[in-house]
Amino acid sequence: EAGVVQSPRYKIIEKKQPVAFWCNPISGHNTLYWYRQNLGQGPELLIRYENEEAVDDSQLPKDRFSAERLKGVDSTLKIQPAELGDSAVYLCASSLDGRGGNTEAFFGQGTRLTVV
Amino acid sequence: RKEVEQDPGPFNVPEGATVAFNCTYSNSASQSFFWYRQDCRKEPKLLMSVYSSGNEDGRFTAQLNRASQYISLLIRDSKLSDSATYLCVVNTQYGNKLVFGAGTILRVKS
Repeated sequence: EAGVVQSPRYKIIEKKQPVAFWCNPISGHNTLYWYRQNLGQGPELLIRYENEEAVDDSQLPKDRFSAERLKGVDSTLKIQPAELGDSAVYLCASSLDGRGGNTEAFFGQGTRLTVV
Repeated sequence: RKEVEQDPGPFNVPEGATVAFNCTYSNSASQSFFWYRQDCRKEPKLLMSVYSSGNEDGRFTAQLNRASQYISLLIRDSKLSDSATYLCVVNTQYGNKLVFGAGTILRVKS
């Protein structure tokens, strides 16, 4: 079975440019997360979806970041415009419907973004 | 105060040593707990869940102390391949709100 698939793996852009990341979760996983990980830090949650509903986006910088999960499957995360401080690894993860559960989150390989 | 706190290390230990990591969490209503392992430039992967009664998986033992709000990971007979960052993860509410600690770096040397 395929794991969580993310693309692109690497992206270098100039500041003020837009950028988008794509994630395909594991088939059947209702919960999808976008995390951002800076060097030497743990992943920080940006947004969490239960099916197509964003149930937690409190950490998403909404002035420049947006996300969508159409049909409750694939998801995209967009930054417009990008800033130097956005350089990080963007990780997508998915899990089974874990409401009240103890389910494992599976991560994709991430997109390493460098803003210059 | 961060929701999940870990000693960043690094812990430098010789092969065969026993090493232990602790992690504290601030939300007393937290539901479930995990240790993830992250190799350099790789994604995090689940190492083990942490149960109230404590659990063991080979050389790895995880324990939870709800009263003191900390979890621990013990690694016995360390191998070179155990070198990685160990992330403490707490599910802080009903549902899947997973909060990660900053990670503890382990380096096992021959």
